[in-house]
Amino acid sequence: GAVVSQHPSWVICKSGTSVKIECRSLDFQATTMFWYRQFPKQSLMLMATSNEGSKATYEQGVEKDKFLINHASLTLSTLTVTSAHPEDSSFYICSANTGAGGNTIYFGEGSWLTVV
Amino acid sequence: SQKIEQNSEALNIQEGKTATLTCNYTNYSPAYLQWYRQDPGRGPVFLLLIRENEKEKRKERLKVTFDTTLKQSLFHITASQPADSATYLCALKNYNQGGKLIFGQGTELSVKP
Repeated sequence: GAVVSQHPSWVICKSGTSVKIECRSLDFQATTMFWYRQFPKQSLMLMATSNEGSKATYEQGVEKDKFLINHASLTLSTLTVTSAHPEDSSFYICSANTGAGGNTIYFGEGSWLTVV
Repeated sequence: SQKIEQNSEALNIQEGKTATLTCNYTNYSPAYLQWYRQDPGRGPVFLLLIRENEKEKRKERLKVTFDTTLKQSLFHITASQPADSATYLCALKNYNQGGKLIFGQGTELSVKP
């Protein structure tokens, strides 16, 4: 079945540095991927829609210069948290759907980011 | 304002009973609604999708209903098992918003043996 893979699963970085999280669709092409963040015991909050070959669409209140999204190919989207701060520590999850008229959306396993 | 709400309190039930989880929404016109399971520290896993013109959907021990008049979806797990313990999320896709999913905050289900 369709699989979405995220890497790394967890990362610890120092405050002020940048960290990149990758989201790959392993056996299908995804023209659109979505990035969410989730705080403990809370819902998934959509951050941005990643569009292959064009700029990402950010949700209101999400800083596009802080959360850089690149969707350079049909199977890869990356989220870079720039100049990370402790408040950026969270669980980041990507998703993609298979398109082709299907509505099933597959999620990655998520990436835990801890900024110290 | 737009809201999608699930029972915030954890649901504790005995093995073998039916678990019923609720998802209510306000000021959305969903094309469809989905239910996901999420285990701690993991990404959500898709369970069921129900469209606006469908009243009920079943898959093995799972059943979902969708009432667009009440603006509510109910998610049932029959003959519940301890392995069903997880957080269950509802999510809706609004018309004219592409593939964006809007999630509820989830309900934590605990099934005791």
